Amino acid sequence: EVQLVESGGDLVHPGGSLRLSCAASGFTFSSYWMSWIRQAPGKGLEWVANIKEDGSTKYYVDSVKGRFTISRDNAKNSLYLQMNSLRAEDTAVYYCVREGGMDVWGQGTTVTVSS
Amino acid sequence: EIVMTQTPLSLSVIPGQPASISCKSGRSLLHGNGKTFLYWYLQKPGQSPRPLIYEVSNRFSGVPDRFSGSGSGTDFTLEISRVEAEDVGDYYCMQGIHFPYTFGQGTKVDIK
Repeated sequence: EVQLVESGGDLVHPGGSLRLSCAASGFTFSSYWMSWIRQAPGKGLEWVANIKEDGSTKYYVDSVKGRFTISRDNAKNSLYLQMNSLRAEDTAVYYCVREGGMDVWGQGTTVTVSS
Repeated sequence: EIVMTQTPLSLSVIPGQPASISCKSGRSLLHGNGKTFLYWYLQKPGQSPRPLIYEVSNRFSGVPDRFSGSGSGTDFTLEISRVEAEDVGDYYCMQGIHFPYTFGQGTKVDIK
């Protein structure tokens, strides 16, 4: 079964850091671009970042550039999102998503930034 | 950034009746390879989004044929031929050609 399982979400103070992880299974992880997409409470979907199959190319939405870093470990079938200098507006459910149409989504992990 | 504009923002439908959602993009989504990178997703209450349509009009595996997509360039439409109770939720269009990828605001569909 194709599956993505996120972890690492937590309550963090403004200015703090957090690292999200996504474990992939059931498909050849190294053959796909991967994205992180988030959803603030009661709001719509926002694409955050993505990374090429081999990790050589990455793109970010402007609001997280310089603060978030997407990475992957194909040997471990894992995707990561390092989030630094967190702000209240980063509070959201973060989804790990397989590209190729965004056809597979994880269940999401919740990040809350609050003092 | 490409702005994706969905209308209406909410829709109340009688079961068995059709429903239609419009999505307009600020720029053409037609790629030089001839493909148009417009997608549709449904997020049911309390769930992760589920893919419905890719490249304007292709249904993802397992999507009922009452769902159809159409359009070109900057104007797109998702149609449900006969709405069922299980179709309630938030529908989103997304463009996947220009970074950053962007979503429409969402259309909330419920049953009358």
